[in-house]
Amino acid sequence: EAQVTQNPRYLITVTGKKLTVTCSQNMNHEYMSWYRQDPGLGLRQIYYSMNVEVTDKGDVPEGYKVSRKEKRNFPLILESPSPNQTSLYFCASSLRGRALISKETQYFGPGTRLLVL
Amino acid sequence: DAKTTQPNSMESNEEEPVHLPCNHSTISGTDYIHWYRQLPSQGPEYVIHGLTSNVNNRMASLAIAEDRKSSTLILHRATLRDAAVYYCILREINSNSGYALNFGKGTSLLVTP
Repeated sequence: EAQVTQNPRYLITVTGKKLTVTCSQNMNHEYMSWYRQDPGLGLRQIYYSMNVEVTDKGDVPEGYKVSRKEKRNFPLILESPSPNQTSLYFCASSLRGRALISKETQYFGPGTRLLVL
Repeated sequence: DAKTTQPNSMESNEEEPVHLPCNHSTISGTDYIHWYRQLPSQGPEYVIHGLTSNVNNRMASLAIAEDRKSSTLILHRATLRDAAVYYCILREINSNSGYALNFGKGTSLLVTP
């Protein structure tokens, strides 16, 4: 089944303890992206990747890192989490990174709910 | 991306048609109109998209005004499973904004039995 998977789905951690949220897609998609969703603020893009080894900042990148060593995986790294990073995180992917992006459908993972104490 | 305006909420009876409106008066000629929805406790999912002509798929229909300044997502027979937040999103063909989807606040659809 074509899908975007995220792990873990739920995570409680403490301030400063490094964590990684994994994202994997099995559709051979070039483009991958991370969003966070907060009440009243909607979904905001954190980082995105047009293809392997190509990443760039979205609207709210502070406090986050990403890497794209393989096409299927796009982990989100919080080196030193803080309480303001408590949020619901979604990974998304689409087939092509640049060409005809306005027509592309994005596929979303089920979300990771993170609580930083 | 150009801005869209949607009602905050709408209500429908089960098995009735639902028309979800979206205004996008500043749309440019090359913007695609996309609709996504987010069911409770799930990630957003694609519903439909179009450019100028009306579009149909297994989930819904998209009716686009002739001047493209508004569009309507049509669910032909609402089910309880269609209760979700529906987002109308414009996608610029030459966007350089990281290709993020600008979700806005969307319309929360309540479906009652």
